[in-house]
Amino acid sequence: DTAVSQTPKYLVTQMGNDKSIKCEQNLGHDTMYWYKQDSKKFLKIMFSYNNKELIINETVPNRFSPKSPDKAHLNLHINSLELGDSAVYFCASSQDWASGYTDTQYFGPGTRLTVL
Amino acid sequence: AQKVTQAQTEISVVEKEDVTLDCVYETRDTTYYLFWYKQPPSGELVFLIRRNSFDEQNEISGRYSWNFQKSTSSFNFTITASQVVDSAVYFCALSEARIQGAQKLVFGQGTRLTINP
Repeated sequence: DTAVSQTPKYLVTQMGNDKSIKCEQNLGHDTMYWYKQDSKKFLKIMFSYNNKELIINETVPNRFSPKSPDKAHLNLHINSLELGDSAVYFCASSQDWASGYTDTQYFGPGTRLTVL
Repeated sequence: AQKVTQAQTEISVVEKEDVTLDCVYETRDTTYYLFWYKQPPSGELVFLIRRNSFDEQNEISGRYSWNFQKSTSSFNFTITASQVVDSAVYFCALSEARIQGAQKLVFGQGTRLTINP
């Protein structure tokens, strides 16, 4: 069973287009994340949602808009795509323990976005 | 601010050699968590280990072992008797206190490990 899944795996599109990446987790986790991995393999957090509420927004251009219809899904919509948006986008999820214990983030397989 | 440094950009060894990947971190928090993730050529990110700041006990899992030393702010990863399948990019990561149920993982630059037959 796939724990964290993303669709599509590859996305090739033209500059200026709008595209979405979908993420679903079946782990029953409360918190979901989007990370961006650039061409040098550097990973950086973009957003985090906890129970459908936006918690972390890391100075990402407002062309990027995450949407969480329920706690098992976190989608990423990107408007007016630019060349610099080409990267691998990873979704992740973790459990939120009220006690404050920090759980592990489990990552999806990634979506490779290429903007031409 | 939190920071993770993996000074070794690339390491190449021959199969069966032991190899250690270094990780040095910076944080002002007394409570924090350290992680190692593996990214094989197929591209997914695979969780390897989590350590919290109160637990300096070293850990061994098969051929993998981790050495956590708060005195030097290091969390190094050793692979014993390396195998070709260990070839991957390895990331060390740090998270501090949770923000309303979410934790911000800060990653190091990654170390590309190549095991040659």
